[in-house]
Amino acid sequence: DGGITQSPKYLFRKEGQNVTLSCEQNLNHDAMYWYRQDPGQGLRLIYYSQIVNDFQKGDIAEGYSVSREKKESFPLTVTSAQKNPTAFYLCASSFGSWYGYTFGSGTRLTVV
Amino acid sequence: SQQGEEDPQALSIQEGENATMNCSYKTSINNLQWYRQNSGRGLVHLILIRSNEREKHSGRLRVTLDTSKKSSSLLITASRAADTASYFCATENQGGKLIFGQGTELSVKP
Repeated sequence: DGGITQSPKYLFRKEGQNVTLSCEQNLNHDAMYWYRQDPGQGLRLIYYSQIVNDFQKGDIAEGYSVSREKKESFPLTVTSAQKNPTAFYLCASSFGSWYGYTFGSGTRLTVV
Repeated sequence: SQQGEEDPQALSIQEGENATMNCSYKTSINNLQWYRQNSGRGLVHLILIRSNEREKHSGRLRVTLDTSKKSSSLLITASRAADTASYFCATENQGGKLIFGQGTELSVKP
């Protein structure tokens, strides 16, 4: 079955650590996106990529980095520069913004 | 930047009643989409309406779009307990990415 997979489901980060969240899709979608969701809030765009080897910053890119070396994969690294990383992270993919997005089930990141 | 604002923030109804949620936005759009999110899960795409469309139906869902007022509404008819979730509108403008609103939390009581 086609879909989008995020891993891990839960992640704990110590102060000063970098952590990487995985996002893989087998839908043959060109575009992929990372959003952050805080409790009771909407989604805020971190980074997006419309084609392999290219990506753009969203509204809250500071403290995050991404890569898009393969069409299927769009990993997100939360660096130590991100001062408040505790949140629910959602990855999505699409044929483009004229189509609906398919979301993964999310990664809940907690700083310990 | 948050483009859409949903209203109300929370809505509680009885099973069988209709639920209406509204979304307002600020800039011109190419399309507007509605999503559902069950607690602690990813979002599920419900319906997309293009800027040149005024109304669209999908099963028990009806979406309207008024570009002159920069607003949209989502109507869920004959609601069920399983419809309990948060509902988000999202707008797509020239930038090629979706901007989401804050969401409406719907509770349907059996």
